Amino acid sequence: QKEVEQNSGPLSVPEGAIASLNCTYSDRGSQSFFWYRQYSGKSPELIMSIYSNGDKEDGRFTAQLNKASQYVSLLIRDSQPSDSATYLCAVKGMEYGNKLVFGAGTILRVKS
Amino acid sequence: NAGVMQNPRHLVRRRGQEARLRCSPMKGHSHVYWYRQLPEEGLKFMVYLQKENIIDESGMPKERFSAEFPKEGPSILRIQQVVRGDSAAYFCASSRTGVGTEAFFGQGTRLTVV
Repeated sequence: QKEVEQNSGPLSVPEGAIASLNCTYSDRGSQSFFWYRQYSGKSPELIMSIYSNGDKEDGRFTAQLNKASQYVSLLIRDSQPSDSATYLCAVKGMEYGNKLVFGAGTILRVKS
Repeated sequence: NAGVMQNPRHLVRRRGQEARLRCSPMKGHSHVYWYRQLPEEGLKFMVYLQKENIIDESGMPKERFSAEFPKEGPSILRIQQVVRGDSAAYFCASSRTGVGTEAFFGQGTRLTVV
């Protein structure tokens, strides 16, 4: 089992819809969870961090964490074509030696 | 408040030469992570350093690759005797501490080996 797993996509949604991106992780002791956005040819950009069970909202983005089920998700409301990118889930935990472990990323395409 | 600075942005080396990639973390950050990314692939962890210490180098190839983060100055990723397979984007990220803090990426160094 991979440490951090994401569906590679592409996930296609129409403009204005909600995009739902999911991520599962293997280390039950993981403590910190992050979502990064990466445009083609660019570096990853941090968009959300979440540390406690539940939801965390920031503008059009909502991160959801469920430690019992070992998954973290990212919802993007009112999706825009400019949201088209690869979304990377990253996890930090003691089992990983506190290094930042990334999933392979999900490609999101928002069609206008 | 400058972000993570990497240089050079683009580096071309002939096979057999050495490549030195530099990463200056954000102000107040003492933890640095290096990643490699091939086209259309994910981020592959290479090494995690704290000032003057290598915390985790489990992702580094055993030969030709080394990394350091001295007390003063930037973190350096060094690749000796480069081969074509080393061509990739190399990203570094920094964080304030090792646990529970956000990490921010630099713009990366695109290494091309000809």
